[in-house]
Amino acid sequence: ETGVTQSPTHLIKTRGQQVTLRCSSQSGHNTVSWYQQALGQGPQFIFQYYREEENGRGNFPPRFSGLQFPNYSSELNVNALELDDSALYLCASSSQHFSTDTQYFGPGTRLTVL
Amino acid sequence: SQQGEEDPQALSIQEGENATMNCSYKTSINNLQWYRQNSGRGLVHLILIRSNEREKHSGRLRVTLDTSKKSSSLLITASRAADTASYFCATAVTGANNLFFGTGTRLTVIP
Repeated sequence: ETGVTQSPTHLIKTRGQQVTLRCSSQSGHNTVSWYQQALGQGPQFIFQYYREEENGRGNFPPRFSGLQFPNYSSELNVNALELDDSALYLCASSSQHFSTDTQYFGPGTRLTVL
Repeated sequence: SQQGEEDPQALSIQEGENATMNCSYKTSINNLQWYRQNSGRGLVHLILIRSNEREKHSGRLRVTLDTSKKSSSLLITASRAADTASYFCATAVTGANNLFFGTGTRLTVIP
């Protein structure tokens, strides 16, 4: 088990609503990355934060946004939810500036959009 | 696409047998990593191999990397029922700041 935690475990929302997912990184890690994993697919990179600044973003629209706090915990916010946003959302932390070395993943938040 | 592709998509073997899964990618990389995922839970890092390495071992795991063929393989020896999971390769593409994951190999080990 890694020291990365995520909340909530499961979430059900309706189309058009907004959602906030939370992640606490492993102690000593200052980089947090978020991934979306659709059923049967591999994780897709959403964005990453290093010391409270976004320093990388994947091919996701602006309605996906995030924050990193001084204690290096992080939030993922998704506005105007669409059915295709239903997925497992994973956060991962590392001690490197960028998320290209070993990533320590949390257990994920399963989001269902109805 | 910069993500790797795993082969096969699914693999079923008897306990005690060896399991081999492959990953191919298209671009220059700095490192390649393998992760395991049990039943839609978080991913667990297994092993990282850098572009200047050809082979790496960790317990029952053996990973090879052939940068000329842009491919990697993960061998799990003496498999156990607890090895049943999805296995993903992830590439750290040169010039990019994040990992690119493949679609995974679903391994089932039958007791």
